[in-house]
Amino acid sequence: GAVVSQHPSWVICKSGTSVKIECRSLDFQATTMFWYRQFPKQSLMLMATSNEGSKATYEQGVEKDKFLINHASLTLSTLTVTSAHPEDSSFYICSARAGDSYYGYTFGSGTRLTVV
Amino acid sequence: GQNIDQPTEMTATEGAIVQINCTYQTSGFNGLFWYQQHAGEAPTFLSYNVLDGLEEKGRFSSFLSRSKGYSYLLLKELQMKDSASYLCAVKHGAGSYQLTFGKGTKLSVIP
Repeated sequence: GAVVSQHPSWVICKSGTSVKIECRSLDFQATTMFWYRQFPKQSLMLMATSNEGSKATYEQGVEKDKFLINHASLTLSTLTVTSAHPEDSSFYICSARAGDSYYGYTFGSGTRLTVV
Repeated sequence: GQNIDQPTEMTATEGAIVQINCTYQTSGFNGLFWYQQHAGEAPTFLSYNVLDGLEEKGRFSSFLSRSKGYSYLLLKELQMKDSASYLCAVKHGAGSYQLTFGKGTKLSVIP
């Protein structure tokens, strides 16, 4: 089945630094990738949608200059949290879509970001 | 706008049956998913309904009524490992492949 690899699983960084999270589709080409953020005891909130080779579409309230998304190839998308602050501490999850069926939505294992 | 409602928490006994409801009002509808999520982990796919009716898959079944904007997930023969959050998610209509998630239902299975 479709597998999405997300790294790192967890990261601790100092306030003001940047953190990059990678999401790779291992055995399929991901035409679209979604990035979600999940705070404790909350559901997944969509941050942005990215299609390979084009700019990401950000949801209302998500700062595109703070959360940089790159989807340079059909198998790799990255999310960079720039100038991280403690309030950015959250669980970040990517999801890749390969086609118009339920098989197309495959989630990465998530990244726990803690900003100190 | 998008609005998806689920109960926040439920408790059920090991071996019993539990039904988790989900109601939705969304702009566009092209299917409804149920996911299971254990704490600190990514969601895992349980079911997908796009037509009205019941889909059965082992101990888990999912029902959809598009006219009522309503779905439920039915878990039978509950096991302790079923303790998790269950997320209802709606796939938007043509031209958009986004999923909008409900807040999730935290299910606790007790002995």
